[in-house]
Amino acid sequence: NAGVTQTPKFRVLKTGQSMTLLCAQDMNHEYMYWYRQDPGMGLRLIHYSVGEGTTAKGEVPDGYNVSRLKKQNFLLGLESAAPSQTSVYFCASSTGTASYEQYFGPGTRLTVT
Amino acid sequence: RKEVEQDPGPFNVPEGATVAFNCTYSNSASQSFFWYRQDCRKEPKLLMSVYSSGNEDGRFTAQLNRASQYISLLIRDSKLSDSATYLCVVRFSGSARQLTFGSGTQLTVLP
Repeated sequence: NAGVTQTPKFRVLKTGQSMTLLCAQDMNHEYMYWYRQDPGMGLRLIHYSVGEGTTAKGEVPDGYNVSRLKKQNFLLGLESAAPSQTSVYFCASSTGTASYEQYFGPGTRLTVT
Repeated sequence: RKEVEQDPGPFNVPEGATVAFNCTYSNSASQSFFWYRQDCRKEPKLLMSVYSSGNEDGRFTAQLNRASQYISLLIRDSKLSDSATYLCVVRFSGSARQLTFGSGTQLTVLP
């Protein structure tokens, strides 16, 4: 089991460029999440999904879009990157059972210049 | 005011010491509580859940005080490998499976 994987691990973008971050999980989890982590701010939820074909906004959704076309994949898109989106992005997944534990991917370090 | 607040530290303690972290949360209707551990430049991982009666896992003890709205983590006999950032995490009532993370407390255990 690979658990939760993220692609790419690092990326540098210029302002205005677009990109897609891919998250994949092989644990058959229903729920998937995208967070960003900035110094002193903790993890903040961007978007999440409660199942294949569904997405919802989290705490900081502006400037991002997501899609969950397959249960195992959750994509995060930046249509027009801004320096304020420089951050570490983590994907996570969890089951639909009584456990609320979230399993995290290794993160993507994104720099927007 | 942040929904989950932690002292960022850093806490620098010698090996073998006992160290305690506190965390306060703003919503009295909070449902579930956790401590996650995050190593430098790595992803967060669940350390332990926190139950109303308090719970232990080896050298780690977690306590919940609902009346005062705080959670604590006690680490006994600190090891070098305990050096990490400890994240206080709360699931608020009505938030389905969403978790709210504190910004973390940094611990360094010194030889």
